[in-house]
Amino acid sequence: QQPVQSPQAVILREGEDAVINCSSSKALYSVHWYRQKHGEAPVFLMILLKGGEQKGHEKISASFNEKKQQSSLYLTASQLSYSGTYFCGTENDAGNMLTFGGGTRLMVKP
Amino acid sequence: NAGVTQTPKFRILKIGQSMTLQCTQDMNHNYMYWYRQDPGMGLKLIYYSVGAGITDKGEVPNGYNVSRSTTEDFPLRLELAAPSQTSVYFCASSYAGTPKFGQGTRLTVV
Repeated sequence: QQPVQSPQAVILREGEDAVINCSSSKALYSVHWYRQKHGEAPVFLMILLKGGEQKGHEKISASFNEKKQQSSLYLTASQLSYSGTYFCGTENDAGNMLTFGGGTRLMVKP
Repeated sequence: NAGVTQTPKFRILKIGQSMTLQCTQDMNHNYMYWYRQDPGMGLKLIYYSVGAGITDKGEVPNGYNVSRSTTEDFPLRLELAAPSQTSVYFCASSYAGTPKFGQGTRLTVV
């Protein structure tokens, strides 16, 4: 069952912050975050494993709350280059099948 | 450059035709995946493989077949193409970690 992402779309001005959420009805073992630019392949941002850890990539960080079965992606002081669609992916318990959410379209304007 | 290579990049098929989408990786990854992405939508897992000779269905396997005779190659076969199979197809591979995606094959069935 695929994870659910919210919001579906966000429009920001440069320098503003945003949060993208990813939740699952099943227990989460890991959460993968990707960004996809229009017409390109998804590009890996970070992976979070069980343990409630946080990670960072540039000014993008993420948290993982396995109790709540959710992960959040934080984009701080957004840049034009952050525009794209963000996907979270969750693994099954065997760790061999990665299922993606529907995506969050982020547009950063000057 | 090491990575995932997909061919062809674009293809137009007529309804009822068959074709094979090729995917090869040179990173010695054991896991390989096929996803489809409909316009403005998320990634749906079609099939995946955890190693040569082992394949399994994902979320949307109907109308497709795969084989994995070598570690490097994971072709996706479409039999009797239908308009509903118009999509962008992404192949990905990983070594028990985060999948790296190929550049995609844009398929149109008319």
